[in-house]
Amino acid sequence: AQSVTQLGSHVSVSEGALVLLRCNYSSSVPPYLFWYVQYPNQGLQLLLKYTTGATLVKGINGFEAEFKKSETSFHLTKPSAHMSDAAEYFCAVSSGSARQLTFGSGTQLTVLP
Amino acid sequence: NAGVTQTPKFRILKIGQSMTLQCAQDMNHNYMYWYRQDPGMGLKLIYYSVGAGITDKGEVPNGYNVSRSTTEDFPLRLELAAPSQTSVYFCASSSTGEGGYTFGSGTRLTVV
Repeated sequence: AQSVTQLGSHVSVSEGALVLLRCNYSSSVPPYLFWYVQYPNQGLQLLLKYTTGATLVKGINGFEAEFKKSETSFHLTKPSAHMSDAAEYFCAVSSGSARQLTFGSGTQLTVLP
Repeated sequence: NAGVTQTPKFRILKIGQSMTLQCAQDMNHNYMYWYRQDPGMGLKLIYYSVGAGITDKGEVPNGYNVSRSTTEDFPLRLELAAPSQTSVYFCASSSTGEGGYTFGSGTRLTVV
């Protein structure tokens, strides 16, 4: 069975600072990995995905993530945080015949002025 | 293009009542999913469907039922509401899954 662990349920950074949100996964097959963002009272929006190929994946809003098979990690980064980045972020791994997503428990990102 | 539409947005139920959460997508996606989101728990899969007439249980199916009579619609039925079903429910769809999901905006359900 697949699982996802997000280290740190709450992360605070100053505006302009590096954002690093950690995600480790467990998968018995080559994984498809995703990061989603959720703004208050909204649904989830896809930030970026890794399926095959290049291990450094670029997404929307300046975010990127690197798939490291040896570390079973898929950490999300952004060089410079903006106030509008404040949201909850979910890492997910895809599995099964219907590509069901298994989500981590989420990381709430706060951006301080 | 509406994407995934969920209705209602909010609902308060009394214990033992029943209701159906509606979900419709207009992208001709074969795969559809229902998740519930509880604080600090992420999203848990309730049921999913790979096409009209085909449904299967996810991680937390107890107390829920689904049907998929058309490609577009995937309603979620709560038969006997319990306080433990207080949650935010999200419907999602996908063409193949590899590209990720399109989520609806959610239904916030409170059972009192």
